[in-house]
Amino acid sequence: NAGVTQTPKFQVLKTGQSMTLQCAQDMNHEYMSWYRQDPGMGLRLIHYSVGAGITDQGEVPNGYNVSRSTTEDFPLRLLSAAPSQTSVYFCASSGGRPNEKLFFGSGTQLSVL
Amino acid sequence: GNSVTQMEGPVTLSEEAFLTINCTYTATGYPSLFWYVQYPGEGLQLLLKATKADDKGSNKGFEATYRKETTSFHLEKGSVQVSDSAVYFCALVRLGYSTLTFGKGTMLLVSP
Repeated sequence: NAGVTQTPKFQVLKTGQSMTLQCAQDMNHEYMSWYRQDPGMGLRLIHYSVGAGITDQGEVPNGYNVSRSTTEDFPLRLLSAAPSQTSVYFCASSGGRPNEKLFFGSGTQLSVL
Repeated sequence: GNSVTQMEGPVTLSEEAFLTINCTYTATGYPSLFWYVQYPGEGLQLLLKATKADDKGSNKGFEATYRKETTSFHLEKGSVQVSDSAVYFCALVRLGYSTLTFGKGTMLLVSP
């Protein structure tokens, strides 16, 4: 049982490059979300989805795009990377039942030079 | 909007000392409250949760009580171990969306 799988684990980009952070879950969860973790800032919500075809912005969405074409996958796209996007990114999923916990992936450490 | 405030760290303790990490929140309604833990180099793991007022969540010797009157969810442990060294996050869930609002995290360092 893989749970929530994020790839890659590490990535270095140059300013202006684009890339996609992958997130997949095998628990048939409807709810998925992306967070970034920065020192002294905790985790902040970037984008979230309440089901296939439905996405919305979180607290810090600028510079990121998402789509949800399947229940399993929720990729996060950086169209033109900036040094301010250097961070650790976590994907999470949940079945959405009241009081249910979120399951987190192991994270992607991204550096933008 | 929702917000979570937790005490800043690092909190430095000797083994077997008593631990308290303060957490207060602002929210619409009565969301479930969580404590997550992040060990060095790892992702987040749920430590405990409470779903309604006066609920006490507990796990691995850690406890936290959902206090509606003080809007608090303080984490406590009676005797910490070196293996408890980690970053602890208090969080609340946005009902109906399954997204979390986190505090900034508190690093705990326990020395032998």
